[in-house]
Amino acid sequence: DSGVTQTPKHLITATGQRVTLRCSPRSGDLSVYWYQQSLDQGLQFLIQYYNGEERAKGNILERFSAQQFPDLHSELNLSSLELGDSALYFCASSVVSEAGELFFGEGSRLTVL
Amino acid sequence: EDKVVQSPLSLVVHEGDTVTLNCSYEVTNFRSLLWYKQEKKAPTFLFMLTSSGIEKKSGRLSSILDKKELSSILNITATQTGDSAIYLCAPGGDSNYQLIWGAGTKLIIKP
Repeated sequence: DSGVTQTPKHLITATGQRVTLRCSPRSGDLSVYWYQQSLDQGLQFLIQYYNGEERAKGNILERFSAQQFPDLHSELNLSSLELGDSALYFCASSVVSEAGELFFGEGSRLTVL
Repeated sequence: EDKVVQSPLSLVVHEGDTVTLNCSYEVTNFRSLLWYKQEKKAPTFLFMLTSSGIEKKSGRLSSILDKKELSSILNITATQTGDSAIYLCAPGGDSNYQLIWGAGTKLIIKP
């Protein structure tokens, strides 16, 4: 158990809908990262927050947004969903803001029908 | 552009064999390289390498970084079926403080 909690574990929805994925980082970790992993694809970095502020942005679509709250949990909002958004979405956390050891949650598997 | 290439993409061996997984990278202002193991779900941390030539070991797994060759290897000796997983390499640099993730090597250990 990495200490990173993600909900929901599974989510099935229809095209055009909007969903919110939630992540609680390890106790004491200030950085939260969101990654997308499609079938047979590598981890694609979406966005990073550090202590409530956006730290870095990767290949995140405009239909996607995220935020980190004062209690350090984070939410990833995916809107106007398309079939291609079906993927495993990982949240990871770390103590520092720089690239280093990340602790991953179990992921939220999103299926868009 | 930063990039990382892992080889082989997949590997099938028998229990007891020794395997070597490769990771080559081009990262601006390199800082560190991490190895992760991904089984069914979340990647789990194996090693973080920052210094060239210093081997890190954990049981049957070991890894070393070669900054001159811009590469790293992950060795697994006396493989077991539980070693079956995707092994991910992720170098990081100063350009954006993010890890650059390789596509992974899918390792299958046959009994």
